[in-house]
Amino acid sequence: GQQLNQSPQSMFIQEGEDVSMNCTSSSIFNTWLWYKQDPGEGPVLLIALYKAGELTSNGRLTAQFGITRKDSFLNISASIPSDVGIYFCAGALQGGSEKLVFGKGMKLTVNP
Amino acid sequence: NAGVMQNPRHLVRRRGQEARLRCSPMKGHSHVYWYRQLPEEGLKFMVYLQKENIIDESGMPKERFSAEFPKEGPSILRIQQVVRGDSAAYFCASSRLSSVNEQFFGPGTRLTVL
Repeated sequence: GQQLNQSPQSMFIQEGEDVSMNCTSSSIFNTWLWYKQDPGEGPVLLIALYKAGELTSNGRLTAQFGITRKDSFLNISASIPSDVGIYFCAGALQGGSEKLVFGKGMKLTVNP
Repeated sequence: NAGVMQNPRHLVRRRGQEARLRCSPMKGHSHVYWYRQLPEEGLKFMVYLQKENIIDESGMPKERFSAEFPKEGPSILRIQQVVRGDSAAYFCASSRLSSVNEQFFGPGTRLTVL
């Protein structure tokens, strides 16, 4: 099946630092989404991107939809302890399918 | 509004038993999606249903798994004759319209097969 390559797999940072993560695919996506999942919970949508080249912010989070439509990145600035969790990229493939393809996730640890 | 409800939150079954996972979508939502998450992995799409119809079941295993979303009541994901490899977290999402960005996820059911 389709796969998204998400990197890095984990990061350990100090409070206040910025962090970046990205996802790439060999397929073209119509939509890119970034989710955060806390332990024992379901994913919560952070940012949704709909057009190639689109750059969108949500507070300290910024994400971009790659020009080739095969990649996306997420930046978190000035990290705080509650940013701890697993971040997933997800996408909807070109062709109108409603199902989401997820990356394997990046586990973020923030040291206070 | 209450969010997507899933129950049970944790389910333990022995090999060969049946597992029934329930999902109540958000009020006003008529589209339901089921995903499976193995440890240390991302979510993998299983099935997309609207009321009384299966729209896309391309991610469902060919055997032992079935899903329904009746006119009344919750959506049910049913796993017959469970095996250890079925142990995973199963997430349901719902949306009001057919829209990838408006899928709201429930807290999941964690299935453990002994």
